Amino acid sequence: QSALTQPPSASGSPGQSVTISCSGTSGDLGGYNYVSWYQQHPGKAPKLMIYEVIKRPSGVPDRFSGSKSGNTASLTVSGLQAEDEADYYCSSYAGSNNVLFGGGTKLTVL
Amino acid sequence: QLQLQESGPRLVKPSETLSLTCTVSGGSISNSGYYWAWIRQPPGKGLEWIGNIYYSGTTYYNPSLKSRVTISVDTSKNQFSLKLTSVTAADTAVYYCARQRFYYDSSGMRKIGDFDLWGQGTMVTVSS
Repeated sequence: QSALTQPPSASGSPGQSVTISCSGTSGDLGGYNYVSWYQQHPGKAPKLMIYEVIKRPSGVPDRFSGSKSGNTASLTVSGLQAEDEADYYCSSYAGSNNVLFGGGTKLTVL
Repeated sequence: QLQLQESGPRLVKPSETLSLTCTVSGGSISNSGYYWAWIRQPPGKGLEWIGNIYYSGTTYYNPSLKSRVTISVDTSKNQFSLKLTSVTAADTAVYYCARQRFYYDSSGMRKIGDFDLWGQGTMVTVSS
């Protein structure tokens, strides 16, 4: 199975909103509501930001939101802040007890 | 507060076996609510799920790595381990251990899900 597809880069100015997409197939992302998003700063471990498509773990700002339509999931970061600059990865249950990650998107705050 | 810590050799020779251990502290690995997973990230690249294990010993592996991977658990030591055989330079990566949640779908089938806690990661280089 191939990795989920993410744009390599995204950017926005402070205060703006940015949306990062994550595309899969009906056999993985499109078939299940077990999509999660991770934030990774350089040299650090990933951090869970969104799970089950739309849910936020305790402590994650409500500026981060998730959604899904068909075979594409999205992460939206509203009110961009400098500390949001990081790599973002999506992940999804892919059937048959398998998990796929996206290739990652580097978010730049201009 | 539960923490995970990877340990093991940082340098492995080609064709040999990579072995890593993840020690769980601040909580029990026998908690029935979670799987325990390994994920890796080659330098400058994305994340790849390697596989996971339940405290009972049930394992699931990435199909692309299944022939070379073994994950085991030692509940008495609160640890789980990864073995990856016949390594090449392509296996050079930061290896993370993580706690993986699971869910029950509408038919009562278990589905593995997100990774809510991660170790700090350990860089393993495959080189002679």
